[in-house]
Amino acid sequence: DADVTQTPRNRITKTGKRIMLECSQTKGHDRMYWYRQDPGLGLRLIYYSFDVKDINKGEISDGYSVSRQAQAKFSLSLESAIPNQTALYFCATSDARSGGQETQYFGPGTRLLVL
Amino acid sequence: GESVGLHLPTLSVQEGDNSIINCAYSNSASDYFIWYKQESGKGPQFIIDIRSNMDKRQGQRVTVLLNKTVKHLSLQIAATQPGDSAVYFCAENIGRGSTLGRLYFGRGTQLTVWP
Repeated sequence: DADVTQTPRNRITKTGKRIMLECSQTKGHDRMYWYRQDPGLGLRLIYYSFDVKDINKGEISDGYSVSRQAQAKFSLSLESAIPNQTALYFCATSDARSGGQETQYFGPGTRLLVL
Repeated sequence: GESVGLHLPTLSVQEGDNSIINCAYSNSASDYFIWYKQESGKGPQFIIDIRSNMDKRQGQRVTVLLNKTVKHLSLQIAATQPGDSAVYFCAENIGRGSTLGRLYFGRGTQLTVWP
């Protein structure tokens, strides 16, 4: 969905390096999410934010941190990357006005390789 | 805890045939379900959704069936086309409490359409 963009699209880094993945959206949604996808597995939630002042841990938050800089921007950081963080990362957004029954719209993904 | 899973990890069909992709869920409190399609190298795309007060919903060439008695969800694709080849995920939402707005994803089914 072109309304949700992620940068970079691909990244190779070394163990121990700090990296940041960025997500921007033009959908005007309050809620934003970061997921990780590994081969053969579904999407697993890392962190989510229901508004600019709200940050929540998901299922697999260890080793990650996030920052919600504005309604439209939500970044994911790996403070000290390790090889098992090699994965495909997706950002998503949803509209809080749906009252909990919310479709999430996904970005194109960032492919991360940690050597 | 919640779990969303699929009966078959892969499905191969011939072009023009109908496809049925199944999904089981375990949380009876889930009240909203979504099917996503993920093509290679792309983020998940919304296909169709259904609320728990319904048992069937139709879209263009797709139908979702919900059987709350056995906690089963299916996606039917009519006249399957090569462009339908992708991984299909079901996701469930528990629309209340601390998990409001969160989606839980199954591992996905790889649909391959043969000419």
